[in-house]
Amino acid sequence: AAGVIQSPRHLIKEKRETATLKCYPIPRHDTVYWYQQGPGQDPQFLISFYEKMQSDKGSIPDRFSAQQFSDYHSELNMSSLELGDSALYFCASSLAVNRKRMSSYNEQFFGPGTRLTVL
Amino acid sequence: AQTVTQSQPEMSVQEAETVTLSCTYDTSENNYYLFWYKQPPSRQMILVIRQEAYKQQNATENRFSVNFQKAAKSFSLKISDSQLGDTAMYFCAFMGQNTGFQKLVFGTGTRLLVSP
Repeated sequence: AAGVIQSPRHLIKEKRETATLKCYPIPRHDTVYWYQQGPGQDPQFLISFYEKMQSDKGSIPDRFSAQQFSDYHSELNMSSLELGDSALYFCASSLAVNRKRMSSYNEQFFGPGTRLTVL
Repeated sequence: AQTVTQSQPEMSVQEAETVTLSCTYDTSENNYYLFWYKQPPSRQMILVIRQEAYKQQNATENRFSVNFQKAAKSFSLKISDSQLGDTAMYFCAFMGQNTGFQKLVFGTGTRLLVSP
């Protein structure tokens, strides 16, 4: 079965440079989530998108921006990179959640992650 | 804000034995889900088991089962007949209706080592 695809898998950047991470959801999944996992840390929610609109926002720095495109893939753009941005960035996808229904959870399927190293 | 606490940074168990990983959480919501995720050395996040808060019956998936104590806000994972492939980081996670079931909140993780 098709899984979430993330590219690149590894990325090395210098401080103050810009990085773009891409996420291709599972076919027919219309919701995308981004998480950041620092070294030895738990994953932290950054942002999510449904139907090209931002649906929720977590602790995402102002230097980061993201968007979802008409084919549902998403890109996370990171500017003015800092050493502390070095982390594993996960993308997850799911079917849309019906927030009005009590049991409207849809499983988030995680990609393999992009390891970003800022030197 | 919801918080998830895993008080065991590391656990060890021998192959074929049973081990229990602890998790507590804090929330004022009534409608939520709890999860255990496994992160092996490959760093892939793998869903192990899920529990709906409104279900009293504890979830079970093969060798994995949970003990969900809603009043105590406790959600432990029991791994029976441990296998070498169970060696991984295990994260407990919460997802609530107030955030539209969008956002997973993770605990700090428990590193499990299964030895022969």
